[in-house]
Amino acid sequence: GENVEQHPSTLSVQEGDSAVIKCTYSDSASNYFPWYKQELGKGPQLIIDIRSNVGEKKDQRIAVTLNKTAKHFSLHITETQPEDSAVYFCAASIGANFGNEKLTFGTGTRLTIIP
Amino acid sequence: GAGVSQSPSNKVTEKGKDVELRCDPISGHTALYWYRQSLGQGLEFLIYFQGNSAPDKSGLPSDRFSAERTGGSVSTLTIQRTQQEDSAVYLCASSPETLSGNQPQHFGDGTRLSIL
Repeated sequence: GENVEQHPSTLSVQEGDSAVIKCTYSDSASNYFPWYKQELGKGPQLIIDIRSNVGEKKDQRIAVTLNKTAKHFSLHITETQPEDSAVYFCAASIGANFGNEKLTFGTGTRLTIIP
Repeated sequence: GAGVSQSPSNKVTEKGKDVELRCDPISGHTALYWYRQSLGQGLEFLIYFQGNSAPDKSGLPSDRFSAERTGGSVSTLTIQRTQQEDSAVYLCASSPETLSGNQPQHFGDGTRLSIL
């Protein structure tokens, strides 16, 4: 089955700097890659996703890049703010007609923004 | 409600007892997923529902775990004869049905289960 690896496990950056989190996946059939932000005591919140037919997607300060050949994708957060501090998870799924789009998750990155 | 609702938010029970966890998905979402998150870990897939049927139960860790969904809405995850290793946060997600697949999954805040 699919295996997703995520690095780094912890990341500290100065406020205003950029943060990059990287993930690799094993199954070349995966075609959907969401990123989730999880705050303490809350469920994961979708922040951005990308499908395999595009290489990059951007939403304000957040961007995701996908390299299908190398089977890796990355989350980029620019101009970081204290409220960006959280645990971030990448995930991958193999879409099929009518689903099942079960997600395989990475092990998470704890991002700390230093004021 | 606007989002996925799970209850209870916290559950503490003794080893050997049965527990039921409830998930109320976003209205109109036909796909429902259960995941488990152990302390400091990523999320582990348990089971998937499309409507009331469960085409993928591959993630259920043992036959002590079961789930059902009735009326295409609320789902219940049941753990029988709980063990300490069942302690985790159980998360539910829902997404719309689609012909093309890959619709975003929206998560509830989970049930934190502690087995004494």
